[in-house]
Amino acid sequence: EAQVTQNPRYLITVTGKKLTVTCSQNMNHEYMSWYRQDPGLGLRQIYYSMNVEVTDKGDVPEGYKVSRKEKRNFPLILESPSPNQTSLYFCASSLDGRGNTEAFFGQGTRLTVV
Amino acid sequence: DAKTTQPPSMDCAEGRAANLPCNHSTISGNEYVYWYRQIHSQGPQYIIHGLKNNETNEMASLIITEDRKSSTLILPHATLRDTAVYYCIVRAHSPAAGNKLTFGGGTRVLVKP
Repeated sequence: EAQVTQNPRYLITVTGKKLTVTCSQNMNHEYMSWYRQDPGLGLRQIYYSMNVEVTDKGDVPEGYKVSRKEKRNFPLILESPSPNQTSLYFCASSLDGRGNTEAFFGQGTRLTVV
Repeated sequence: DAKTTQPPSMDCAEGRAANLPCNHSTISGNEYVYWYRQIHSQGPQYIIHGLKNNETNEMASLIITEDRKSSTLILPHATLRDTAVYYCIVRAHSPAAGNKLTFGGGTRVLVKP
């Protein structure tokens, strides 16, 4: 089954404790991205990757890092989480980055930073 | 990307067709109309997209007016599981446009028994 898998689904952590949210897709997609969703603000793109070893900032990259060492994986790293990063996070993938394909989203990771 | 306008909410009876309107009066000739939905706190789900012609798949039909300034998503036989927020998005197919999806307010659809 074609899918995007995020882990963990829920996470409560403390300020400053580094964490990684994993994202994996099994569709051999070139394009992957991370979004955060906050009430009243909709989905905002954090980072995206056009292919292996190619990543770029989205609209709200501050406080986040990503890597794309393999095509299937696109982890989101919070080096020093802060309470304003409490949010619902989604990973998404598309066949390519040319804008002409449907996006597949993961189930989401609800992160709480206290 | 062109801006879209959708009603904030609508109710629909189970088993009946749900017709979701979207206005996109500033759409450009190379921009497609996409529809996604998000069931409570789950990841958004792609439904359908089109450029000029009407489109149909196993989930829904998309009717685009001849002037392309508006469209309607049709769920032919709504079920309770179709309760979700539905987003209409207009975007170009080009490397410059990239794949970033900009979700507006959407229409909150409640399917009632």
